[in-house]
Amino acid sequence: NAGVMQNPRHLVRRRGQEARLRCSPMKGHSHVYWYRQLPEEGLKFMVYLQKENIIDESGMPKERFSAEFPKEGPSILRIQQVVRGDSAAYFCASSPRRGPDSYEQYFGPGTRLTVT
Amino acid sequence: AQTVTQSQPEMSVQEAETVTLSCTYDTSESDYYLFWYKQPPSRQMILVIRQEAYKQQNATENRFSVNFQKAAKSFSLKISDSQLGDAAMYFCAYRSAGQIIFGKGTRLHILP
Repeated sequence: NAGVMQNPRHLVRRRGQEARLRCSPMKGHSHVYWYRQLPEEGLKFMVYLQKENIIDESGMPKERFSAEFPKEGPSILRIQQVVRGDSAAYFCASSPRRGPDSYEQYFGPGTRLTVT
Repeated sequence: AQTVTQSQPEMSVQEAETVTLSCTYDTSESDYYLFWYKQPPSRQMILVIRQEAYKQQNATENRFSVNFQKAAKSFSLKISDSQLGDAAMYFCAYRSAGQIIFGKGTRLHILP
């Protein structure tokens, strides 16, 4: 069973461009979470999604950031008009809907975004 | 709001010795989960150990064990027989429903 996949692993964007980060959850997992890690900081929650639904976006900046988890395909975190302060590592995690592991989140390897 | 505090930004331990990383948290809920994650230089988040709040028995995983004090809201991690591969950032984390809340981390150095 493949783990959580994220791509790209590294992404460089110039200020003002758009960044698209992709996350494929583990097989059988229907819950996806996005976290952001600034340098020398812990991970900060951004958004929690189920298929075609945003459940909790309380950690998401109000502007320029959006996330989706379509019925088919990976979850996408989109950052429009990136600024230098968006440079960070973005982690995706997934968990199954039910079962003993439902409280545990399995993390992907992260995408390191650098804004120049 | 729930918070997680790690008061030790960095720690060092001699190889083969034992080290304890501290963590306190604040919550008004009674049912929740606590975790310790390890983040090596590869930046992959690796679950080290987890504890269900309703369980009184402290969790153990090989050389890793926790001291869970629910009343004191304390959740420390003990690493026995430290190995060079244990060098990493360690994050204490809390989860009730949905999101996980992380502490700022403790960087652990292993001295050969």
